[in-house]
Amino acid sequence: EAQVTQNPRYLITVTGKKLTVTCSQNMNHEYMSWYRQDPGLGLRQIYYSMNVEVTDKGDVPEGYKVSRKEKRNFPLILESPSPNQTSLYFCASSLRADRGLQPQHFGDGTRLSIL
Amino acid sequence: QQQVKQSPQSLIVQKGGISIINCAYENTAFDYFPWYQQFPGKGPALLIAIRPDVSEKKEGRFTISFNKSAKQFSLHIMDSQPGDSATYFCAANNPGGGADGLTFGKGTHLIIQP
Repeated sequence: EAQVTQNPRYLITVTGKKLTVTCSQNMNHEYMSWYRQDPGLGLRQIYYSMNVEVTDKGDVPEGYKVSRKEKRNFPLILESPSPNQTSLYFCASSLRADRGLQPQHFGDGTRLSIL
Repeated sequence: QQQVKQSPQSLIVQKGGISIINCAYENTAFDYFPWYQQFPGKGPALLIAIRPDVSEKKEGRFTISFNKSAKQFSLHIMDSQPGDSATYFCAANNPGGGADGLTFGKGTHLIIQP
């Protein structure tokens, strides 16, 4: 089954404790990205990757890091999480790096709470 | 700077009625306008999309109407059903620019009452 898998689905942690949210896709997609979803703000892009070893900032990259060492994986790293990073996070992938032209396949989300 | 403005924020429609969600944009470089549907506990999923050279696209009960001169596009859900209750996001793709191309509206929470 074609899918984007995020882990964990839920996480409660404390300020300053480094965490990583993993994202893996099994569709051999070139393009991957991370979004955060907040009430009243919709979906905002954090980082995206056009291909292996190619990453770039989205609209709200502050406080986040990513890496793309393999085509299938695109982890999101919070080096020193803060309460304003409490949010619902989505990983997405699409077939080619035609920016938005290809349908994006989303994971089911990671609900992150930073106390 | 919000590049895609979506309204209303929430919408309640009776079963069998027509649900209408509107989006407006400013950037004339946008070249692709998808709509995503999101159910609780799930990620958004592509519902229907249109390019600016077409004024309307229909897929089943879902229709996108596109007005290039007014820089507006809308999603119409005919014969709305309780199973259509979800959050809907419009989006627009910018083929150029620094950040990645797809910009989302803020979403519309749609409730279809039985």
